[in-house]
Amino acid sequence: AQKVTQAQTEISVVEKEDVTLDCVYETRDTTYYLFWYKQPPSGELVFLIRRNSFDEQNEISGRYSWNFQKSTSSFNFTITASQVVDSAVYFCALSENWSNQGGKLIFGQGTELSVKP
Amino acid sequence: DAGVIQSPRHEVTEMGQEVTLRCKPISGHNSLFWYRQTMMRGLELLIYFNNNVPIDDSGMPEDRFSAKMPNASFSTLKIQPSEPRDSAVYFCASSSRPGTSRDPNTEAFFGQGTRLTVV
Repeated sequence: AQKVTQAQTEISVVEKEDVTLDCVYETRDTTYYLFWYKQPPSGELVFLIRRNSFDEQNEISGRYSWNFQKSTSSFNFTITASQVVDSAVYFCALSENWSNQGGKLIFGQGTELSVKP
Repeated sequence: DAGVIQSPRHEVTEMGQEVTLRCKPISGHNSLFWYRQTMMRGLELLIYFNNNVPIDDSGMPEDRFSAKMPNASFSTLKIQPSEPRDSAVYFCASSSRPGTSRDPNTEAFFGQGTRLTVV
């Protein structure tokens, strides 16, 4: 069965601190996809990144970086030098066997990040 | 591109009434998903379509819920009769399938959601 666990329900940091959001997943498939989405207070879901299971290369995009480790089934997200605008709920998601299942996402429960000035 | 468009943005209805939520996916996308978000259950997939055909509706809560996709540019999610426990934010999302066998789909893009309140 597929499952995504975000153990951190809420995180509060002060602006300019670095923060890491944890994501652990479970899957029996050898081919799968991992995602991070951001949900700001306005409510929309904003796509941040997609990572394929056959590509363990870490990725950096500006202040955002992602660490994918298949050995620990983790896909952690780090924000460097956090800003107030980073305050949002962040969701990690998993999609299995895309050829057959068309890309449906299983979401974690989300981590609410609060960045204080 | 206008993105995924959902209507209405907010809906308040009385228990027992029929509710219809609408979604226009991104042009060219061939997969469409309906998700529901609540505090208790988080984000859960209700149903998804591939090339306008329902593939998996196992997440639909009960027979009061139905979804259709009559063409590639429109989908509806209907609740009849509505109940207070249906109150939630309903998201529609779409993705495309342009890629290789190793990377068959793109990521899903979400609409702004419909906040449904059943009183």
